[in-house]
Amino acid sequence: ELKVEQNPLFLSMQEGKNYTIYCNYSTTSDRLYWYRQDPGKSLESLFVLLSNGAVKQEGRLMASLDTKARLSTLHITAAVHDLSATYFCAVGTSGSARQLTFGSGTQLTVLP
Amino acid sequence: GAGVSQSPSNKVTEKGKDVELRCDPISGHTALYWYRQSLGQGLEFLIYFQGNSAPDKSGLPSDRFSAERTGGSVSTLTIQRTQQEDSAVYLCASSPLQLGAGNEQYFGPGTRLTVT
Repeated sequence: ELKVEQNPLFLSMQEGKNYTIYCNYSTTSDRLYWYRQDPGKSLESLFVLLSNGAVKQEGRLMASLDTKARLSTLHITAAVHDLSATYFCAVGTSGSARQLTFGSGTQLTVLP
Repeated sequence: GAGVSQSPSNKVTEKGKDVELRCDPISGHTALYWYRQSLGQGLEFLIYFQGNSAPDKSGLPSDRFSAERTGGSVSTLTIQRTQQEDSAVYLCASSPLQLGAGNEQYFGPGTRLTVT
């Protein structure tokens, strides 16, 4: 059974600071996704990572994937208040087009 | 273009009643997923439809839950004899093809179900 663990679960940081959210998963996977969820809203796709060593960046967010370590990171650079949200990683099972397994989410609060 | 839509956005029902939740996927998307998100939790997979194939029902929590997808498009999730633990946000997602090559899932706004 695929298990996905995110840490930290809660993150409070000052504007302008850097931080990293970690996503570990337990079995081989061929795809990993990062989503953002604002309170009361649905999930917005941020990044799709499909290969070992993949790195993608959008604005102040950068995601990377190490399939050998079964680890993905979401790095936040010079945080701003607008980044406050809950971030989920989701992992797909190799060879299957079925459901994604989601982490518990990291609730990020960026303080002024 | 139009995204995934769900209705109703909110539903309050009494324990023991049946409810139906609707999902309209993005046009042309062949894969459709239902998830449940309890307060402050991640997403729990419920069911997956892909084209005309038999659905993957492995995530349905009990036989009170069922879903259908008519004509390969609109889907309805039905919960019979609702219980208080069914209270959650039910999210629908669609995807253009089998997952891979970046075919990520696009989520609808969800239906917030409250069972009193």
